[in-house]
Amino acid sequence: AQKITQTQPGMFVQEKEAVTLDCTYDTSDPSYGLFWYKQPSSGEMIFLIYQGSYDQQNATEGRYSLNFQKARKSANLVISASQLGDSAMYFCAMSSMNTGFQKLVFGTGTRLLVSP
Amino acid sequence: DAMVIQNPRYQVTQFGKPVTLSCSQTLNHNVMYWYQQKSSQAPKLLFHYYDKDFNNEADTPDNFQSRRPNTSFCFLDIRSPGLGDAAMYLCATSRDPGWQETQYFGPGTRLLVL
Repeated sequence: AQKITQTQPGMFVQEKEAVTLDCTYDTSDPSYGLFWYKQPSSGEMIFLIYQGSYDQQNATEGRYSLNFQKARKSANLVISASQLGDSAMYFCAMSSMNTGFQKLVFGTGTRLLVSP
Repeated sequence: DAMVIQNPRYQVTQFGKPVTLSCSQTLNHNVMYWYQQKSSQAPKLLFHYYDKDFNNEADTPDNFQSRRPNTSFCFLDIRSPGLGDAAMYLCATSRDPGWQETQYFGPGTRLLVL
């Protein structure tokens, strides 16, 4: 069975600094995808970044990058130059070929607070 | 802009009174999903449609039903809401059902059961 673990219930960072949100995963499938979503207090889940299991390079999207370490089964999200608007809940999620369709398994989330 | 739209954003219903939540999409995606998210928890998949094929999660209560009359619209029906059904309901879409596909979410509907 697939499992996502996010061990940081809350993280604090000062504006303009970088922050790393941890995510480890467990799967026996060779083919899987890893996703990060941001959920502000308004409730919408906003897609941030995707990493496929066969991708050789770490994914990047603007200020977001994914530190993918396949052997350690970790997929940490790095946010550079934090902004006040980055304060939100962040979910790591995984899908895999074994489920037969794109079924996301979510972690418990990390709440990020960016201070001025 | 192509998007996923959910109406209403807030819904208040009475214990046992049927309620319908709606979702529409302009992305022309083949798959639509419904999730339930309770406070401080991760989203939980209720069911999904791949085109007209309905797929129910094994642990989704019978109280929850869904309809997809066309590609653009999908509805979540709660036949007899209980207090435990108060939650955020999120609709999502993906182009196809493959594991590589990204799901795009709507803004959600917060359901309150009195």
